[in-house]
Amino acid sequence: GDSVTQMEGPVTLSEEAFLTINCTYTATGYPSLFWYVQYPGEGLQLLLKATKADDKGSNKGFEATYRKETTSFHLEKGSVQVSDSAVYFCALSSNFGNEKLTFGTGTRLTIIP
Amino acid sequence: KAGVTQTPRYLIKTRGQQVTLSCSPISGHRSVSWYQQTPGQGLQFLFEYFSETQRNKGNFPGRFSGRQFSNSRSEMNVSTLELGDSALYLCASSLGLSRDNNEQYFGPGTRLTVT
Repeated sequence: GDSVTQMEGPVTLSEEAFLTINCTYTATGYPSLFWYVQYPGEGLQLLLKATKADDKGSNKGFEATYRKETTSFHLEKGSVQVSDSAVYFCALSSNFGNEKLTFGTGTRLTIIP
Repeated sequence: KAGVTQTPRYLIKTRGQQVTLSCSPISGHRSVSWYQQTPGQGLQFLFEYFSETQRNKGNFPGRFSGRQFSNSRSEMNVSTLELGDSALYLCASSLGLSRDNNEQYFGPGTRLTVT
């Protein structure tokens, strides 16, 4: 079955540091890949997506590239801010017509000033 | 455009009772999915409805059920509540029409506590 493996947290970084959160997946076919972010007490917000190999999703300074050869979708940001502190989830959707999202376990990120 | 709304936001129930949660999707979205979030199990898919039909179902017991109305609003019901049903229940909507616009948008969730 489908699965997503995310790097274990928590991750603590200083403001303006470089961020990488690793994500690898196992899926049949050609899944769509997503990063979601969850702030305390809130639901999930879509951060970025990619639907095919070599696609790069980007939003708010965050980027992730769909790497089919390594089955990865690592999240990166060049300079993090305190406001980026949240829990980040990597997820996949197997194919159209199957809207089920399979999530990783989430990575808690804390940015200190 | 208004986002996904869920009611109620918080709920406390007793073991053995039943509960109904409501979700209003983004206008124009025909697919509604439900997820359970717990510290131990993380985010797990419950089911998805599209045009009033259940299209996908996760691995949850039959106590968990749902439905979708003609205006795409959805409800989920949990009968005979157990302590382990305490969780954040998230609803998500999407257009559900093609691979290129299959992203799901989540509501704020309903926090259910079973005592």
